[in-house]
Amino acid sequence: QKEVEQDPGPLSVPEGAIVSLNCTYSNSAFQYFMWYRQYSRKGPELLMYTYSSGNKEDGRFTAQVDKSSKYISLFIRDSQPSDSATYLCAMSDGRGSTLGRLYFGRGTQLTVWP
Amino acid sequence: EAGVAQSPRYKIIEKRQSVAFWCNPISGHATLYWYQQILGQGPKLLIQFQNNGVVDDSQLPKDRFSAERLKGVDSTLKIQPAKLEDSAVYLCASSPNGGAGGAFFGQGTRLTVV
Repeated sequence: QKEVEQDPGPLSVPEGAIVSLNCTYSNSAFQYFMWYRQYSRKGPELLMYTYSSGNKEDGRFTAQVDKSSKYISLFIRDSQPSDSATYLCAMSDGRGSTLGRLYFGRGTQLTVWP
Repeated sequence: EAGVAQSPRYKIIEKRQSVAFWCNPISGHATLYWYQQILGQGPKLLIQFQNNGVVDDSQLPKDRFSAERLKGVDSTLKIQPAKLEDSAVYLCASSPNGGAGGAFFGQGTRLTVV
């Protein structure tokens, strides 16, 4: 079983739709959770960072972590064509005074059409 | 604030040749990572440094890959000799001490081995 599972899609939605992306994981020690956006031929861009459980909102983006279910989600409201990218979830258990190794899902490819 | 800088952006080499990649992390970030991203997959950790010490190199193919961060700032990743399966994007990331806020990636170096 992989540490982090993420449906690769592709996911195609009309402009203005609410997008739901999610990942499941197996390691109960994970406590740092991140979502990255990656455009073609670019590096991953950090969108959301969450420590432990709960919700975090930033503009049109909301990240949710449910540690009891080992399930994390990213919601995008009022989606725009510029949101078309691959979305990667990542998580870590921390190591000493560092974030530790990040374990990534394989990414979900999202297309928002006008 | 300047982001993570990487060079070169692209490199094409023949198998059995050697290649080196350079990374300059965000100023003040103690943790530096090298990740390998194969097309269609999430990044996988090669090595993690904390200042100039190695924290995790368990996934680094040490018979051909080496990395150093001599002064605790910038870093070099080397492959010698390269194999066809090393064709991938090599991503450098950095994180502040304690990891709060997540890890930030550079644009990556796209390596093609022919």
